[in-house]
Amino acid sequence: EAGVAQSPRYKIIEKRQSVAFWCNPISGHATLYWYQQILGQGPKLLIQFQNNGVVDDSQLPKDRFSAERLKGVDSTLKIQPAKLEDSAVYLCASSLRRGVGSGANVLTFGAGSRLTVL
Amino acid sequence: GESVGLHLPTLSVQEGDNSIINCAYSNSASDYFIWYKQESGKGPQFIIDIRSNMDKRQGQRVTVLLNKTVKHLSLQIAATQPGDSAVYFCAERDGNNRLAFGKGNQVVVIP
Repeated sequence: EAGVAQSPRYKIIEKRQSVAFWCNPISGHATLYWYQQILGQGPKLLIQFQNNGVVDDSQLPKDRFSAERLKGVDSTLKIQPAKLEDSAVYLCASSLRRGVGSGANVLTFGAGSRLTVL
Repeated sequence: GESVGLHLPTLSVQEGDNSIINCAYSNSASDYFIWYKQESGKGPQFIIDIRSNMDKRQGQRVTVLLNKTVKHLSLQIAATQPGDSAVYFCAERDGNNRLAFGKGNQVVVIP
């Protein structure tokens, strides 16, 4: 089974520039998540989709971050304009079923996109 | 690949020895916990989970212990192998059905 694909793996930009990350979840996984992992910390949820609808975006800094999953498969996460504190690894994860749990609810993570803002 | 984090609590263990990784969680109402393993340059990988109505659960070479009285979780790895070198995170299901990750612990296996 192919895993969660993310691109680009690395991106370096200057502050106030914009950046976009792409995620292709595991085939058939209805639930998709974007997490932010700052160096030395655990991942923090930014947004959760169920098919093409947003389930939870309460922790997304909406003044600069946006995400979409228009056809219920691939997703993009955009940051505009970027700040220094946005330097982090952006992880995409997917699960067959919604909700935290085991079995069909287990999250499978991609390798992440590392963003450095100068 | 790039490192997951710097200045993490680090456990150095000899290959073949047992490892114990500890985690303190914050919410006494949390009812479900997961341990994740994150190797350098990769995303977190599910290892084992436990519900709050249990105090121990065993998997292949791993055991998770839950002490709700002191809000403490531990992961025991038997016969640690070089492939076990990684950062380990505990995570709890919060009141909004989100995964809340704790601070990571780096495990370094010495051959």
